[in-house]
Amino acid sequence: DAGVIQSPRHEVTEMGQEVTLRCKPISGHNSLFWYRQTMMRGLELLIYFNNNVPIDDSGMPEDRFSAKMPNASFSTLKIQPSEPRDSAVYFCASSRTGVGSYEQYFGPGTRLTVT
Amino acid sequence: GQSLEQPSEVTAVEGAIVQINCTYQTSGFYGLSWYQQHDGGAPTFLSYNGLDGLEETGRFSSFLSRSDSYGYLLLQELQMKDSASYFCAVRERMDSSYKLIFGSGTRLLVRP
Repeated sequence: DAGVIQSPRHEVTEMGQEVTLRCKPISGHNSLFWYRQTMMRGLELLIYFNNNVPIDDSGMPEDRFSAKMPNASFSTLKIQPSEPRDSAVYFCASSRTGVGSYEQYFGPGTRLTVT
Repeated sequence: GQSLEQPSEVTAVEGAIVQINCTYQTSGFYGLSWYQQHDGGAPTFLSYNGLDGLEETGRFSSFLSRSDSYGYLLLQELQMKDSASYFCAVRERMDSSYKLIFGSGTRLLVRP
């Protein structure tokens, strides 16, 4: 299995531009999570999906952030417009649900820099 | 509110044993997980405790006491490659799915 795939791995953009981060979860996993990691705030859950349906988006910082999961094998996190304070590493993770499913598998992350 | 407390940094010598503690206060609790993250890398799963007691996986063990809202990760026979950040995470359940609430992480430095 290829693991969770994220693209791009690095993104540098200017303030005000739209940024789209992409994630392909592990095949067969029905839960998908978007996290943001910074030195100041640590690892924060932004939103998670179960069976392609958003379950909890309470961690999404503001309306500039949106996430979609149109099918079981693809999800996007969009920031529009981007701001310097959005600079962080964004991780996507996937997992199975059900008894005995404890592990979340993280992708390599997208390092976003907004100048 | 939700909070997980763990030490920010721990230093230990190669070959020694180190314990990283985690106390939590969350609205729902179904288990405690531990993740390891090397600099520049992604978090990777180490262990999970759903019930009280000790879980052992090779050099790593994890303990949970639900009555004390407390757990720890024990690393034995430390190696240089164990230098990394270690996160405890509470598993909260919502309907048929669940989410993890992560602590702020403990940076472990293993010295020769």
